[in-house]
Amino acid sequence: AQSVSQHNHHVILSEAASLELGCNYSYGGTVNLFWYVQYPGQHLQLLLKYFSGDPLVKGIKGFEAEFIKSKFSFNLRKPSVQWSDTAEYFCAVNAPWSGGYQKVTFGTGTKLQVIP
Amino acid sequence: GAVVSQHPSRVICKSGTSVKIECRSLDFQATTMFWYRQFPKQSLMLMATSNEGSKATYEQGVEKDKFLINHASLTLSTLTVTSAHPEDSSFYICSASDSVKGYGNEQFFGPGTRLTVL
Repeated sequence: AQSVSQHNHHVILSEAASLELGCNYSYGGTVNLFWYVQYPGQHLQLLLKYFSGDPLVKGIKGFEAEFIKSKFSFNLRKPSVQWSDTAEYFCAVNAPWSGGYQKVTFGTGTKLQVIP
Repeated sequence: GAVVSQHPSRVICKSGTSVKIECRSLDFQATTMFWYRQFPKQSLMLMATSNEGSKATYEQGVEKDKFLINHASLTLSTLTVTSAHPEDSSFYICSASDSVKGYGNEQFFGPGTRLTVL
């Protein structure tokens, strides 16, 4: 079974600080990886995704993530955070289609608080 | 972009009653819809996956007779919590995918429904 772990549950940063949120998954085969964001009072939105190709993926709002297969990791980064980045971030993994449907497993989420 | 709506956004009901939550894809056809449950300070837990026109596939530990899912059309899926009890109080979120081709297709999430059972 696939699982996703996010080690940072709550991160507090000052504006302009650099961000790195950890995400590790356990699944031996090919996976697709996602980072979703949930702003206060809003629903989940896709930040970025990795299917194949360049392991460094760029998403919206200046976020990027690097897939390191040997480490089973897909960490999210942003060089300079803004107050508007305050949100909860979820890492997710999707294994290849099996049994006629697809399935995404989410990590426990990381709450990011950016202080002006 | 793809939009998914849920109705109602909030519902309060008495113990023993049934509650129906609707999930609609507004501008695309959702061949597959997913229902999640989110507990406070926890991640989303997949409850079931439904493909249009067929029975839903439930995750282990989710009672199919308790959580009835119907995906009658390409734009609508419903989750009915039958004989609700206080422990069913939670945040229910649906998502939709517009293709069953291959894997890894993006899911578009609804805003969620807060269910409170008194």
